[in-house]
Amino acid sequence: AQSVTQLGSHVSVSEGALVLLRCNYSSSVPPYLFWYVQYPNQGLQLLLKYTSAATLVKGINGFEAEFKKSETSFHLTKPSAHMSDAAEYFCAVSVSSGYSTLTFGKGTMLLVSP
Amino acid sequence: DAMVIQNPRYQVTQFGKPVTLSCSQTLNHNVMYWYQQKSSQAPKLLFHYYDKDFNNEADTPDNFQSRRPNTSFCFLDIRSPGLGDAAMYLCATSRQGANQPQHFGDGTRLSIL
Repeated sequence: AQSVTQLGSHVSVSEGALVLLRCNYSSSVPPYLFWYVQYPNQGLQLLLKYTSAATLVKGINGFEAEFKKSETSFHLTKPSAHMSDAAEYFCAVSVSSGYSTLTFGKGTMLLVSP
Repeated sequence: DAMVIQNPRYQVTQFGKPVTLSCSQTLNHNVMYWYQQKSSQAPKLLFHYYDKDFNNEADTPDNFQSRRPNTSFCFLDIRSPGLGDAAMYLCATSRQGANQPQHFGDGTRLSIL
């Protein structure tokens, strides 16, 4: 069975500072990894995905993530935080062969202060 | 734009009164999912359809049912809502393949009086 651990239920940064949201996964087979963002009272929006091509993945809104197999990690980063980045972020893993079955982490709330 | 649409966005029902939430998609994806999300928690998968094949998660209460009359529509029926069923309900779709991302609607927030 697969699992996802997101370190830190809340992360606070200042506007313009580096954003780093941590995600570690556990999987007995090569995983597919996803980061989603959720704004209040909205659904989840795909930020980026790792599907066994390039290990450094670029997504929307200036976010990127690097797949590190040796560390079983897929941390999300952004060089400079904007106020509009304040939201909940979910890391998820999928290993099902036929179709996507996501196992989510518990989420990290990103707070951005002026 | 192709998308996943959930209606209504907000639903209020009475304790024990059946309620139906709907989801439609213009993406022509063959997999559709229903999730329950409570405050400050990750989405919890209730069930999903792979084409017409229905898959129920082991811990989904019997109170929850689903219908998928065609590729585009999927419904979530809650037969006798309890106070603990108040939550955001999210519908998602994907193409077949574990590497395919899921596309989410904006959800229906269900309140129980």
